[in-house]
Amino acid sequence: IAGITQAPTSQILAAGRRMTLRCTQDMRHNAMYWYRQDLGLGLRLIHYSNTAGTTGKGEVPDGYSVSRANTDDFPLTLASAVPSQTSVYFCASSDSSGSDEQFFGPGTRLTVL
Amino acid sequence: GEDVEQSLFLSVREGDSSVINCTYTDSSSTYLYWYKQEPGAGLQLLTYIFSNMDMKQDQRLTVLLNKKDKHLSLRIADTQTGDSAIYFCAESWGDYKLSFGAGTTVTVRA
Repeated sequence: IAGITQAPTSQILAAGRRMTLRCTQDMRHNAMYWYRQDLGLGLRLIHYSNTAGTTGKGEVPDGYSVSRANTDDFPLTLASAVPSQTSVYFCASSDSSGSDEQFFGPGTRLTVL
Repeated sequence: GEDVEQSLFLSVREGDSSVINCTYTDSSSTYLYWYKQEPGAGLQLLTYIFSNMDMKQDQRLTVLLNKKDKHLSLRIADTQTGDSAIYFCAESWGDYKLSFGAGTTVTVRA
């Protein structure tokens, strides 16, 4: 593994189903983030974690939950998916030093029907 | 987050310069960034500028920052077909968080 990986690459999901998007980084970054990307809206922050064991809400947290049991993993869970959660989801990480550059994963394309 | 605004589309002829503009709202931002997203991929950092700088040049890229007007621009010299992508402006806020604009889709025509 090099950088950030996300799984699955894409998923079609029935409304009401539970879904967990996985994110793993091997850079030992302390901060991690989940964004959703929608056409014309750019990237919006869903949840973030400044360090293992802590999480925080971003701009659009409703309907999503996260956990940060260790440094490397930051899963995003949709407890009961709705069509408005159809989007491309990006995980990112940063080491919270210097320029605070965020490194992005390749994204998960989620369609909720 | 804070509001970051940028125009949605830019069409440029190959070999010409591209200029992408952005306005932001948080005057306390420490860093401002330009990210590039190619089709089907995640975002990659192109360049960033520290808030106490007015200009930063990196090969074909020039970033200009006007703090008074909260205006950031990215100039790409000698634009190539490989520069076709979506470009996002972003500002830092809070603890390690970024606020992104909607993205400018740059199309390079022959």
